[in-house]
Amino acid sequence: SAVISQKPSRDICQRGTSLTIQCQVDSQVTMMFWYRQQPGQSLTLIATANQGSEATYESGFVIDKFPISRPNLTFSTLTVSNMSPEDSSIYLCSARNTGASTDTQYFGPGTRLTVL
Amino acid sequence: DAKTTQPPSMDCAEGRAANLPCNHSTISGNEYVYWYRQIHSQGPQYIIHGLKNNETNEMASLIITEDRKSSTLILPHATLRDTAVYYCIVRATGANSKLTFGKGITLSVRP
Repeated sequence: SAVISQKPSRDICQRGTSLTIQCQVDSQVTMMFWYRQQPGQSLTLIATANQGSEATYESGFVIDKFPISRPNLTFSTLTVSNMSPEDSSIYLCSARNTGASTDTQYFGPGTRLTVL
Repeated sequence: DAKTTQPPSMDCAEGRAANLPCNHSTISGNEYVYWYRQIHSQGPQYIIHGLKNNETNEMASLIITEDRKSSTLILPHATLRDTAVYYCIVRATGANSKLTFGKGITLSVRP
């Protein structure tokens, strides 16, 4: 299994500012993902972080609002840009190895973001 | 990806078996059944997955019907720490498949 850590674990930010969340996996993984969980809701996939190329965004999410980097096979960042109170959510990093026998996907502990 | 249907909630007594049902009537032949749980304020935790055979690990057992249209996650001896939202998800293997979460079932274990 993959162990995933995120920084920061939580933050309180002012509207109009940006926050970058870091995700570190303890081993090389093929795929990394970013999810959002709004208060009281289930998880929604934001994008797939592609190593060496632009992230693949799901419907309703755009690069200008959620720029993503993935410089190598163990690390990714998600930036929440020009934040508003509606961006208050838990942001979760996830990873899995395709081609492995189990292809199981694992999750980090999440970053709890509050925007004032 | 095929969708799943789960009751919104259930409860069970501590020490008893918790049987969590899931319907996935449109599952495709190459899709696995995955179960995750999310304890309050934590990231989702992988529990178990299966294709067509029943599976068991240290956390739970997964029973998949012969027609694969439904499954049951069994926690054999539920504890208070098993109180969580449990998600049943169907997903194929491979780079193009995505893990899509529904609303899940909230399991409350009572003392």
